[in-house]
Amino acid sequence: QVQLVESGGGVVQPGTSLRLSCATSGFTFSGFGMHWVRQAPGKGLEWVAVIWYDGSKKYYADSVKGRFTISRDDSKSTLYLQINSLTTEDTAVYYCARDLGVVGPTLDYWGQGTLVTVSS
Amino acid sequence: DVVLTQSPLSLPVTLGQPASISCRSSHSLVHSDGNIYLDWFQQRPGQSPRRLIYEASNRDSGVPDRFSGSGSGTDFTLTISRVEAEDVGIYYCMQGTHWPPVTFGGGTKVEIK
Repeated sequence: QVQLVESGGGVVQPGTSLRLSCATSGFTFSGFGMHWVRQAPGKGLEWVAVIWYDGSKKYYADSVKGRFTISRDDSKSTLYLQINSLTTEDTAVYYCARDLGVVGPTLDYWGQGTLVTVSS
Repeated sequence: DVVLTQSPLSLPVTLGQPASISCRSSHSLVHSDGNIYLDWFQQRPGQSPRRLIYEASNRDSGVPDRFSGSGSGTDFTLTISRVEAEDVGIYYCMQGTHWPPVTFGGGTKVEIK
């Protein structure tokens, strides 16, 4: 069955960096676009970034552009999110999600999330 | 960017009674290909989001048929025909017609009276 497992979260200081991972199984990873979505404590869902199935295109929310980098390793069926210059506003649960869409995105499977807490 | 406005913010419902959640878009969500890229998600307490409805009205496999989605243009509705205890959670709409960015509604919390 389809599984997405995030890791790499933790408590970090402002200004530092972190790399999140999303290990997948149960489907042909190289055939799907992938997204990161985050949720601040007690808040709603915020889209973060997407990477095309072949890695040819990447898009980011304005709130993270220039600081976050999405990437993928198809040989490991794993999605990544490099987060630099962390601020307290980046504190959130970060979810990876599979995109089943061809034209418009549709996120059919989500991981359980990994919590990033930015605090001094 | 497309703004999705959900209402109400909170929806207390009696078990067995219907519930409706509205999602209004700042732009028409009818794509040039004729499809509507509007999804609905359920997030139960302590869990990840789960897709219920895709392209406005298509129910996901395994989703109870008491859930239905409707609407077109800028106005969309998620309806639960008879609320059960397991339906407690927060419901979000999401659009992918005009992207990037993907945008979500602010969420509607469904609780039992």
